Amino acid sequence: EAGVAQSPRYKIIEKRQSVAFWCNPISGHATLYWYQQILGQGPKLLIQFQNNGVVDDSQLPKDRFSAERLKGVDSTLKIQPAKLEDSAVYLCASSVTGVGNEKLFFGSGTQLSVL
Amino acid sequence: DQQVKQNSPSLSVQEGRISILNCDYTNSMFDYFLWYKKYPAEGPTFLISISSIKDKNEDGRFTVFLNKSAKHLSLHIVPSQPGDSAVYFCAASDRNFVFGPGTRLSVLP
Repeated sequence: EAGVAQSPRYKIIEKRQSVAFWCNPISGHATLYWYQQILGQGPKLLIQFQNNGVVDDSQLPKDRFSAERLKGVDSTLKIQPAKLEDSAVYLCASSVTGVGNEKLFFGSGTQLSVL
Repeated sequence: DQQVKQNSPSLSVQEGRISILNCDYTNSMFDYFLWYKKYPAEGPTFLISISSIKDKNEDGRFTVFLNKSAKHLSLHIVPSQPGDSAVYFCAASDRNFVFGPGTRLSVLP
């Protein structure tokens, strides 16, 4: 089966610019996650979708970050305006139901460098 | 406040020997634990998991041990192979997944 697809793989922008990331989860997976992984740290949850509804966005910096999953399939994560501290790998993950003991399937991530 | 800790940033092991990676957690509500492996420029891939109702789960060369009273789990890899060289993340879940900072394992030929 096809895995979680993410694009682009790499992005370099200057501070105060905007950037968008795209994710297509595994077919049939209801739950989609966006994680931020700063160098030397573990992935940190930004937002969780169940179908096209938001389950948890408590750690999303809403003044600059936004995400949507309009048709309950693919998703975009946007940063506007970017700050230096946003430099990180942005990982998308999906799971079948998001309920109970389920593993997450991760994409390869987008490495963002903010200069 | 880190809810999931991996206190060893790195570990080097000789090929064929046992690798033991440790993880500690603070939240007693966590009931599901996973280990992920990450190669450079790739996303984390699932390795093995354990439910809080068990104290051991084994899958081939990989065994995870859970000590709930100590809030501690460990991943044993026997025998270690050069292809096991990667960053290993411990993750814990009650409703959401919380990841540790990772341990970089190097298996030397």
